[in-house]
Amino acid sequence: KAGVTQTPRYLIKTRGQQVTLSCSPISGHRSVSWYQQTPGQGLQFLFEYFSETQRNKGNFPGRFSGRQFSNSRSEMNVSTLELGDSALYLCASSDYRVYEQYFGPGTRLTVT
Amino acid sequence: GEDVEQSLFLSVREGDSSVINCTYTDSSSTYLYWYKQEPGAGLQLLTYIFSNMDMKQDQRLTVLLNKKDKHLSLRIADTQTGDSAIYFCAESRSQGNLIFGKGTKLSVKP
Repeated sequence: KAGVTQTPRYLIKTRGQQVTLSCSPISGHRSVSWYQQTPGQGLQFLFEYFSETQRNKGNFPGRFSGRQFSNSRSEMNVSTLELGDSALYLCASSDYRVYEQYFGPGTRLTVT
Repeated sequence: GEDVEQSLFLSVREGDSSVINCTYTDSSSTYLYWYKQEPGAGLQLLTYIFSNMDMKQDQRLTVLLNKKDKHLSLRIADTQTGDSAIYFCAESRSQGNLIFGKGTKLSVKP
C-alpha cells in the first residue's frame, strides 16, 4: 500500500496570506489527524477528522481550519499567516484501529 | 503537568544497547507509542504498547511500561549507525490526539 502523501512538500508564503495543505491517507484509512511541528513547541495536535466530521480539535486559533472529503483526503487551511506559523505540518492516517497512526512526510511551510 | 518528558540527547557506541526513557502524564492513556524521525522526514511508527501490558518485544526493540510511575522506556539492542535519529514518546488522549514528548536525539558513534 502507498503511504500517506502530503502536498506540497515545501511552501513559502508571506504574512497575511492564506495557505491550503493537502493530505491523502493510506487507502482504506478513514481517520486523518493534523499536527504542527516547530523547534520551540514540538509536535502539537491540530485536529482530527473521521468520515468527513471533525471529531477532535487542539488548542489552535480559528485561523487554522480543516476539512475531509468523502474519499478521506483532507485539507487544512491557515488564513492570515503569521511568522509563527512557520513549521512542519504533518498529517497522519489510521484505520478503524485509531491507535495506529501513520505519518506522511510533512509540508514545510515558511512564512516571510 | 501536561507534558510528556524525555531527555533531549543520548549518545552510544555502535553495537551497544540504547535505552530512551519517557514519563507521561495521563494515567488514562490507553496506548503509548514510540516514533522515529530522521532528518527531513515524517514520523515513523516504531512500536506501541497497550496500557495493560508491562513489556513488548519486537525484534531489536523492547518497550517497558511502568504504569504506577507513568514511565515508558525503549531499548534498542545492538544499536547501529542507521538508528541515529530523534525518538519521540507519545501518549494517546482523545480520538486521534497524540501528545508527544520533545524527542530524544540518539547519536550512534562507530
